[in-house]
Amino acid sequence: AQTVTQSQPEMSVQEAETVTLSCTYDTSENNYYLFWYKQPPSRQMILVIRQEAYKQQNATENRFSVNFQKAAKSFSLKISDSQLGDTAMYFCACYPFGNEKLTFGTGTRLTIIP
Amino acid sequence: DVKVTQSSRYLVKRTGEKVFLECVQDMDHENMFWYRQDPGLGLRLIYFSYDVKMKEKGDIPEGYSVSREKKERFSLILESASTNQTSMYLCASGETGGGGANVLTFGAGSRLTVL
Repeated sequence: AQTVTQSQPEMSVQEAETVTLSCTYDTSENNYYLFWYKQPPSRQMILVIRQEAYKQQNATENRFSVNFQKAAKSFSLKISDSQLGDTAMYFCACYPFGNEKLTFGTGTRLTIIP
Repeated sequence: DVKVTQSSRYLVKRTGEKVFLECVQDMDHENMFWYRQDPGLGLRLIYFSYDVKMKEKGDIPEGYSVSREKKERFSLILESASTNQTSMYLCASGETGGGGANVLTFGAGSRLTVL
């Protein structure tokens, strides 16, 4: 079984600043995907970014990037130049190959302050 | 765009009632999932299905059952609703395998209140 831990229940930053959300995970599988999902207030969950564990290069998507430390089982999300629309719950998730089960963390509520 | 549609956005039911939560996806995805979302607990997997008529228990299946008679439809059933099942229920679908797969598309959620 896999576990995903997000140790920051809430965070807030000023608009235009950079913020990093933490995530650690544990899985017995060698091959897996890691994800960050975003759930804006009263809106649907959407994918932010995905990292394949066998790729050493950190994934990036515009202002969003990850710091993937496989040995430490750490997968943090960095949001640069934060915008008001980044206000949301952010969930880290782990998907081991062949398991078909996506396990989520407890989430971090991020508020961007104008 | 892939769409996952949950039939009810808000429901209020009485203790002991039978509750059906319906979910339909329009992109021919093999996998479908039901999660429960509670503050401080994140998303917890109730059941998932990787094919028609196939189902697998997730982490918290007690008190729930599911049905998948057609590929596009996955139903969550609460046989006898209890107050501790008051929650937000999220349905999701996704493809099997690696590559561009494994990304889940979520529905808007069904907020169930059991009185």
